[in-house]
Amino acid sequence: EAQVTQNPRYLITVTGKKLTVTCSQNMNHEYMSWYRQDPGLGLRQIYYSMNVEVTDKGDVPEGYKVSRKEKRNFPLILESPSPNQTSLYFCASRVSGISYNEQFFGPGTRLTVL
Amino acid sequence: QQQVKQSPQSLIVQKGGISIINCAYENTAFDYFPWYQQFPGKGPALLIAIRPDVSEKKEGRFTISFNKSAKQFSLHIMDSQPGDSATYFCAASSSTDSWGKFQFGAGTQVVVTP
Repeated sequence: EAQVTQNPRYLITVTGKKLTVTCSQNMNHEYMSWYRQDPGLGLRQIYYSMNVEVTDKGDVPEGYKVSRKEKRNFPLILESPSPNQTSLYFCASRVSGISYNEQFFGPGTRLTVL
Repeated sequence: QQQVKQSPQSLIVQKGGISIINCAYENTAFDYFPWYQQFPGKGPALLIAIRPDVSEKKEGRFTISFNKSAKQFSLHIMDSQPGDSATYFCAASSSTDSWGKFQFGAGTQVVVTP
């Protein structure tokens, strides 16, 4: 089954404790991105990647890091999480950077930073 | 600053009624306008999309109306069903943006009562 998977689905952590949210897709998509969803703000892009080793900042990159060492994986790293990073996070992928291609979203990771 | 403004924030409609969600944008470079449907605990999924060369697109009970001069587009859900209860996001992107970045609206929670 073609899908985007994220782990963990739920995470409660404390301020300053480094964490990684994994994202993997099995559709051989070049383009992957991370979004955060907050009430009243919709989805905002954090980082995106056009291909292996090619990443760039989205609209809200502060406090986040990413890496793209393999085509299928795009982990999101929070080096020192803070309470304002409490949010619902989505990974997404599509065939290429061209926006007309359908974007597939993962099931989400709900992160709470205490 | 949200580049795509979506209204209303929430909507309650009776079964069989029409749900209407509106979005407005400022960036005239936007030329792709998708709508996403999100059920609780799931990631957003592409519902229907339109490009500005047409003023309307219909897929089943879902219709997008597009007004280029007003820079507005809307989603109409005809004969609304309880299974349509979800959060709907409009989005916009530009083909001139080689990174294929999307701007999302804040979302509309639709509840269809039996």
